[in-house]
Amino acid sequence: GIQVEQSPPDLILQEGANSTLRCNFSDSVNNLQWFHQNPWGQLINLFYIPSGTKQNGRLSATTVATERYSLLYISSSQTTDSGVYFCAVNNNDMRFGAGTRLTVKP
Amino acid sequence: DSGVTQTPKHLITATGQRVTLRCSPRSGDLSVYWYQQSLDQGLQFLIQYYNGEERAKGNILERFSAQQFPDLHSELNLSSLELGDSALYFCASSVGGQGKEKLFFGSGTQLSVL
Repeated sequence: GIQVEQSPPDLILQEGANSTLRCNFSDSVNNLQWFHQNPWGQLINLFYIPSGTKQNGRLSATTVATERYSLLYISSSQTTDSGVYFCAVNNNDMRFGAGTRLTVKP
Repeated sequence: DSGVTQTPKHLITATGQRVTLRCSPRSGDLSVYWYQQSLDQGLQFLIQYYNGEERAKGNILERFSAQQFPDLHSELNLSSLELGDSALYFCASSVGGQGKEKLFFGSGTQLSVL
């Protein structure tokens, strides 16, 4: 099946810093989504982005489908951004990467 | 609030027992997905139903089964429970069944097998 790799596995930032999270996938996909799992375990859909670029406030994402990767940008990070960020892709079914654990310190 | 409802929120049971987890999708969504999240395995896709029919199958054990009912709610049945089945079980829903739609997740059921 399709492989989904996320990097870095862990990231510690000071409040106000910017960051880039990466998702590589091994095959063509018809769906790519970014999720945030907050410290309470809730999974929130951030972006539906099988290709192109989208922005939502301080967050933006870019997917280059032909090169099989996606990037999630977080600018001016806040402590509430802490949690795990997952990339999920659909080939035959929706598969998740192992996630990037982000800690934003005040 | 995603609109996806999962019950119960917490479940504590013993090895060898059988439990049923319930999921109600968002209004209008026809697809339901089940995922298992454990500390060492991450988020594992179990199974997807679309409008009552099984659409895709992932790493679901034979001891586990699921179904989607005519009113579109879904149940995940876990039997002969083992300690390793302790995990957070998520349900998600989407409008269609082609895999191109946005997924919305419920808040999960935390299962503890003692």
